[in-house]
Amino acid sequence: SYVLTQPPSVSVAPGKTAIVSCDGNNIGSKSVQWYQQKPGQAPVVVMYSDTDRPSGIPERFSGSNSGNMATLTIIRVEAGDEADYYCQVWDSSRDHWVFGGGTKVTVL
Amino acid sequence: QVQLVESGGGVVQPGRSLRLSCAASGFTFSSYGMHWVRQAPGKGLEWVSFISDDGSYTSYADSVKGRFAISRDNSKNKVYLQMNDLRHEDTALYFCARDGEDDSFDSWGQGTLVTVSS
Repeated sequence: SYVLTQPPSVSVAPGKTAIVSCDGNNIGSKSVQWYQQKPGQAPVVVMYSDTDRPSGIPERFSGSNSGNMATLTIIRVEAGDEADYYCQVWDSSRDHWVFGGGTKVTVL
Repeated sequence: QVQLVESGGGVVQPGRSLRLSCAASGFTFSSYGMHWVRQAPGKGLEWVSFISDDGSYTSYADSVKGRFAISRDNSKNKVYLQMNDLRHEDTALYFCARDGEDDSFDSWGQGTLVTVSS
């Protein structure tokens, strides 16, 4: 089955840049989505189709996807960005949807 | 606005069954596929099951295949998850989510908690 690997945690100072990686075999050939989940809340999509932001998501959030790694980048990090972030793809070979293990972004 | 409300969770003994429901509103339900996603306490998200917009196609994670069954009633704007032969490892918060046109799970409910315990 297809596996997505994320670092368990990323720490970043306010105003700096956070980069969350998502590794998968030839992930560049897939469409990657990213979700933000704050404690006690349902996930919210913050990036879809690798690089597209839903309405209401700040421009500080951006995505990229190439080769075996996708990334979610948050510039000018704010305290409100502290959350768990999950990457997700559709595994067409099995018609299954796959989530990465999640990355806790901590704002110092 | 899109609203998804799950119900049916609770405490159940191993080996027993439970049926979850998800009531949808604010969009044309019959035009969208729907998913169930679960999250064990303190753990990450795990996709569970998908059903197409007309209910003709379903897909399941290996961990639940043969035990869980997804269905929908477009006349009632509801999707269901019948969970049989429940195991301790099925303990989780179960979310229903809409399959967006943009490849994402674009709307989520708040979840219903299932606890499998003797």
